[in-house]
Amino acid sequence: GENVEQHPSTLSVQEGDSAVIKCTYSDSASNYFPWYKQELGKRPQLIIDIRSNVGEKKDQRIAVTLNKTAKHFSLHITETQPEDSAVYFCAASHSSASKIIFGSGTRLSIRP
Amino acid sequence: EAGVAQSPRYKIIEKRQSVAFWCNPISGHATLYWYQQILGQGPKLLIQFQNNGVVDDSQLPKDRFSAERLKGVDSTLKIQPAKLEDSAVYLCASSVVLDNLAFFGQGTRLTVV
Repeated sequence: GENVEQHPSTLSVQEGDSAVIKCTYSDSASNYFPWYKQELGKRPQLIIDIRSNVGEKKDQRIAVTLNKTAKHFSLHITETQPEDSAVYFCAASHSSASKIIFGSGTRLSIRP
Repeated sequence: EAGVAQSPRYKIIEKRQSVAFWCNPISGHATLYWYQQILGQGPKLLIQFQNNGVVDDSQLPKDRFSAERLKGVDSTLKIQPAKLEDSAVYLCASSVVLDNLAFFGQGTRLTVV
Protein backbone atom coordinates (compact mmCIF):
# COMPACT_ATOMS: atom_id res chain seq x y z
CA GLY A 1 0.00 0.00 0.00
CA GLU A 2 0.88 3.68 -0.12
CA ASN A 3 3.51 4.90 2.32
CA VAL A 4 4.44 8.53 2.93
CA GLU A 5 7.72 9.47 4.59
CA GLN A 6 8.18 12.99 5.99
CA HIS A 7 11.33 14.82 7.12
CA PRO A 8 12.42 16.39 9.34
CA SER A 9 10.33 15.48 12.37
CA THR A 10 11.21 18.78 14.05
CA LEU A 11 12.38 22.04 12.54
CA SER A 12 13.35 25.30 14.23
CA VAL A 13 13.97 28.43 12.17
CA GLN A 14 14.58 32.08 12.92
CA GLU A 15 11.63 34.36 12.31
CA GLY A 16 11.86 35.73 8.80
CA ASP A 17 13.86 32.79 7.46
CA SER A 18 12.48 30.06 5.20
CA ALA A 19 11.38 26.57 6.19
CA VAL A 20 11.34 23.50 3.97
CA ILE A 21 9.62 20.20 4.72
CA LYS A 22 10.09 17.20 2.44
CA CYS A 23 7.99 14.11 1.77
CA THR A 24 8.38 11.01 -0.37
CA TYR A 25 5.68 8.59 -1.43
CA SER A 26 5.78 5.00 -2.59
CA ASP A 27 2.78 4.60 -4.91
CA SER A 28 3.65 5.96 -8.35
CA ALA A 29 -0.07 6.21 -9.11
CA SER A 30 -0.51 8.92 -6.46
CA ASN A 31 -1.76 12.14 -8.04
CA TYR A 32 -3.01 14.36 -5.23
CA PHE A 33 -0.79 15.82 -2.50
CA PRO A 34 -2.32 18.02 0.22
CA TRP A 35 -0.54 19.71 3.11
CA TYR A 36 -2.22 20.22 6.47
CA LYS A 37 -1.33 22.48 9.39
CA GLN A 38 -2.33 21.39 12.87
CA GLU A 39 -2.05 23.73 15.83
CA LEU A 40 -1.99 22.30 19.32
CA GLY A 41 -5.33 20.76 20.24
CA LYS A 42 -6.95 21.75 16.96
CA ARG A 43 -8.08 19.99 13.80
CA PRO A 44 -5.81 19.61 10.76
CA GLN A 45 -6.44 22.45 8.33
CA LEU A 46 -5.65 22.24 4.64
CA ILE A 47 -3.17 24.97 3.70
CA ILE A 48 -2.22 24.05 0.14
CA ASP A 49 -2.47 21.12 -2.23
CA ILE A 50 -1.04 20.10 -5.58
CA ARG A 51 -2.14 17.68 -8.25
CA SER A 52 0.16 15.69 -10.46
CA ASN A 53 -0.42 17.74 -13.57
CA VAL A 54 1.61 20.67 -12.18
CA GLY A 55 5.10 20.90 -10.74
CA GLU A 56 4.68 23.89 -8.45
CA LYS A 57 1.96 25.89 -6.77
CA LYS A 58 2.19 29.08 -4.72
CA ASP A 59 -0.12 30.85 -2.31
CA GLN A 60 1.41 33.98 -0.78
CA ARG A 61 4.25 32.78 1.50
CA ILE A 62 3.56 29.09 0.94
CA ALA A 63 4.63 27.01 -2.03
CA VAL A 64 4.64 23.32 -2.83
CA THR A 65 6.79 21.57 -5.42
CA LEU A 66 6.28 18.10 -6.87
CA ASN A 67 8.77 15.82 -8.58
CA LYS A 68 6.81 12.83 -9.91
CA THR A 69 9.87 11.11 -11.30
CA ALA A 70 11.57 11.07 -7.92
CA LYS A 71 8.26 10.65 -6.07
CA HIS A 72 8.84 13.51 -3.70
CA PHE A 73 7.16 16.77 -2.86
CA SER A 74 8.08 19.66 -0.60
CA LEU A 75 6.48 22.50 1.33
CA HIS A 76 8.26 25.85 1.37
CA ILE A 77 7.33 28.63 3.78
CA THR A 78 9.09 31.96 3.23
CA GLU A 79 9.36 34.92 5.62
CA THR A 80 8.26 32.77 8.52
CA GLN A 81 6.19 34.33 11.30
CA PRO A 82 5.40 33.20 14.87
CA GLU A 83 1.93 32.05 13.80
CA ASP A 84 3.54 29.53 11.44
CA SER A 85 4.53 27.46 14.49
CA ALA A 86 2.53 24.22 14.28
CA VAL A 87 2.75 20.62 13.14
CA TYR A 88 2.63 20.19 9.38
CA PHE A 89 1.50 16.98 7.66
CA CYS A 90 1.95 15.98 4.07
CA ALA A 91 -0.37 13.44 2.50
CA ALA A 92 -0.93 11.54 -0.74
CA SER A 93 -3.72 9.78 -2.53
CA HIS A 94 -3.97 8.24 -5.97
CA SER A 95 -7.48 8.66 -7.26
CA SER A 96 -10.71 10.41 -6.59
CA ALA A 97 -12.41 9.09 -3.47
CA SER A 98 -9.39 7.00 -2.54
CA LYS A 99 -7.83 6.98 0.88
CA ILE A 100 -5.52 9.82 1.92
CA ILE A 101 -2.32 8.63 3.57
CA PHE A 102 -0.54 11.01 5.92
CA GLY A 103 3.12 11.49 6.76
CA SER A 104 4.28 11.44 10.37
CA GLY A 105 4.37 15.21 10.72
CA THR A 106 6.94 17.99 11.21
CA ARG A 107 6.85 20.18 14.29
CA LEU A 108 7.87 23.64 13.11
CA SER A 109 9.00 26.20 15.69
CA ILE A 110 9.69 29.82 14.79
CA ARG A 111 12.30 31.49 17.01
CA PRO A 112 11.76 35.22 17.66
CA GLU B 1 -20.97 26.60 5.43
CA ALA B 2 -21.06 24.43 8.55
CA GLY B 3 -18.04 22.24 9.17
CA VAL B 4 -17.69 18.61 10.17
CA ALA B 5 -19.28 18.09 13.57
CA GLN B 6 -18.03 15.51 16.07
CA SER B 7 -19.10 14.54 19.56
CA PRO B 8 -18.14 14.14 22.26
CA ARG B 9 -15.00 16.31 22.36
CA TYR B 10 -13.47 14.36 25.21
CA LYS B 11 -14.06 10.92 26.71
CA ILE B 12 -12.34 9.06 29.52
CA ILE B 13 -13.15 5.38 29.99
CA GLU B 14 -11.66 2.39 31.73
CA LYS B 15 -10.10 -0.42 29.72
CA ARG B 16 -12.53 -3.08 28.59
CA GLN B 17 -15.39 -0.57 28.52
CA SER B 18 -17.10 0.43 25.30
CA VAL B 19 -17.33 3.87 23.69
CA ALA B 20 -18.97 5.43 20.65
CA PHE B 21 -18.15 8.54 18.66
CA TRP B 22 -20.45 10.44 16.34
CA CYS B 23 -19.72 12.42 13.18
CA ASN B 24 -21.88 14.62 10.99
CA PRO B 25 -20.10 15.52 7.74
CA ILE B 26 -20.44 18.67 5.70
CA SER B 27 -23.76 18.65 3.84
CA GLY B 28 -23.45 17.04 0.44
CA HIS B 29 -20.14 15.32 1.17
CA ALA B 30 -20.49 11.70 0.10
CA THR B 31 -17.09 10.54 1.33
CA LEU B 32 -16.49 10.18 5.06
CA TYR B 33 -13.26 9.14 6.78
CA TRP B 34 -12.42 8.11 10.33
CA TYR B 35 -8.80 8.62 11.35
CA GLN B 36 -6.96 7.72 14.55
CA GLN B 37 -4.24 10.16 15.62
CA ILE B 38 -1.98 8.97 18.40
CA LEU B 39 -0.05 11.73 20.17
CA GLY B 40 2.96 12.79 18.11
CA GLN B 41 1.94 10.85 15.00
CA GLY B 42 0.13 11.55 11.76
CA PRO B 43 -3.52 10.60 11.29
CA LYS B 44 -3.98 6.94 10.42
CA LEU B 45 -7.00 5.98 8.31
CA LEU B 46 -9.34 3.52 10.03
CA ILE B 47 -12.24 3.42 7.60
CA GLN B 48 -13.56 5.27 4.57
CA PHE B 49 -17.20 5.40 3.45
CA GLN B 50 -18.65 6.42 0.11
CA ASN B 51 -22.29 7.22 0.89
CA ASN B 52 -23.30 4.25 3.07
CA GLY B 53 -20.81 1.78 1.61
CA VAL B 54 -17.35 0.94 2.94
CA VAL B 55 -14.55 1.81 0.51
CA ASP B 56 -11.59 0.85 2.70
CA ASP B 57 -11.40 -0.63 6.18
CA SER B 58 -8.10 -2.45 5.84
CA GLN B 59 -6.60 -0.69 8.88
CA LEU B 60 -9.63 -1.08 11.16
CA PRO B 61 -9.05 -3.53 14.05
CA LYS B 62 -12.27 -5.37 13.38
CA ASP B 63 -12.13 -7.48 16.51
CA ARG B 64 -12.87 -4.37 18.59
CA PHE B 65 -13.70 -1.48 16.26
CA SER B 66 -16.84 -1.06 14.20
CA ALA B 67 -18.29 1.80 12.20
CA GLU B 68 -21.46 2.45 10.31
CA ARG B 69 -23.04 5.09 8.12
CA LEU B 70 -26.48 3.63 7.65
CA LYS B 71 -28.19 6.50 5.81
CA GLY B 72 -25.12 7.81 4.06
CA VAL B 73 -24.89 10.94 6.22
CA ASP B 74 -24.00 10.64 9.94
CA SER B 75 -21.53 8.01 11.07
CA THR B 76 -20.67 6.33 14.36
CA LEU B 77 -17.41 4.65 15.34
CA LYS B 78 -17.48 2.20 18.23
CA ILE B 79 -14.77 0.54 20.26
CA GLN B 80 -15.63 -2.52 22.34
CA PRO B 81 -13.74 -3.43 24.46
CA ALA B 82 -11.28 -0.54 24.69
CA LYS B 83 -7.58 -1.07 25.33
CA LEU B 84 -5.02 1.35 26.75
CA GLU B 85 -3.42 1.72 23.31
CA ASP B 86 -6.68 3.06 21.90
CA SER B 87 -5.98 6.37 23.66
CA ALA B 88 -5.85 8.87 20.81
CA VAL B 89 -7.75 11.59 19.02
CA TYR B 90 -10.37 10.22 16.63
CA LEU B 91 -10.82 12.52 13.68
CA CYS B 92 -13.68 12.48 11.24
CA ALA B 93 -13.26 14.07 7.81
CA SER B 94 -15.45 14.42 4.75
CA SER B 95 -15.07 15.30 1.10
CA VAL B 96 -17.14 15.72 -2.00
CA VAL B 97 -17.18 12.63 -4.19
CA LEU B 98 -14.64 12.76 -7.01
CA ASP B 99 -12.48 15.14 -4.97
CA ASN B 100 -9.99 14.28 -2.24
CA LEU B 101 -10.14 17.70 -0.60
CA ALA B 102 -10.91 16.58 2.95
CA PHE B 103 -12.19 18.75 5.76
CA PHE B 104 -11.66 17.61 9.34
CA GLY B 105 -13.79 17.84 12.44
CA GLN B 106 -12.43 18.92 15.83
CA GLY B 107 -11.90 15.32 16.87
CA THR B 108 -12.73 13.30 19.96
CA ARG B 109 -9.92 12.86 22.45
CA LEU B 110 -10.21 9.40 24.02
CA THR B 111 -8.30 8.47 27.13
CA VAL B 112 -8.40 4.84 28.24
CA VAL B 113 -7.25 4.29 31.83
